[in-house]
Amino acid sequence: EVQLVQSGAEVKKPGESLRISCEGSGYSFSTYWITWVRQMPGKGLEWMGNIDPSDSYTNYSPSFQGHVTISADKSISTAYLQWSSLKASDTAMYYCATIGFGSFRAFDIWGQGTMITVSS
Amino acid sequence: QSALTQPPSASGSPGQSVTISCTGTSSDVGGFDYVSWYQQYPGKAPKLMIYQVNKRPSGVPDRFSGSKSGNTASLTVSGLQAEDEADYYCSSYAGSIFYVFGTGTKVTVL
Repeated sequence: EVQLVQSGAEVKKPGESLRISCEGSGYSFSTYWITWVRQMPGKGLEWMGNIDPSDSYTNYSPSFQGHVTISADKSISTAYLQWSSLKASDTAMYYCATIGFGSFRAFDIWGQGTMITVSS
Repeated sequence: QSALTQPPSASGSPGQSVTISCTGTSSDVGGFDYVSWYQQYPGKAPKLMIYQVNKRPSGVPDRFSGSKSGNTASLTVSGLQAEDEADYYCSSYAGSIFYVFGTGTKVTVL
């Protein structure tokens, strides 16, 4: 079965660092780009950025550039989203998704989401 | 990059049709035939319903259809069913491997 499995929910304090993961299985992980999407509580979807797992090339939405880092380790079929200093405004659900697995330039296989709560 | 504009809500009775619009610019929706639509139930991950404006992934009912004219794309759900009650988001490729989502539309089945 083709799937993306994300790491579990996290509760962190402002200023702490964090890395969440997205592990692909059932397909050739390096073949398809991964995207990250934020959904703040009660709000809509926001595209954050992409990574090509084959060479770790990344690009970011201007809204997220400099605030998060996207990376990947193709040897373990895992993509990451990390923060060096969390803020309360980072509280949200974060999803990873493949791009173009069965489509073209669409987000077709989604992870289950990782809820991040940042509170003092 | 600004979010694509969708109506906050849409509704219809069972069996009727509902159409959701998604308005962007010539830099995204109007510039590429790479508009996709996602269905999201509360507390669940989004699901791809339409890609490349009007293509359906395997398993998506043919009640769901997409179209585009100029800078506006549309999703139509025909023969509305109770299970179609969900949030729907459009998304568009915006060039240089950038993407943008719509503001989202809550569909209510009356």
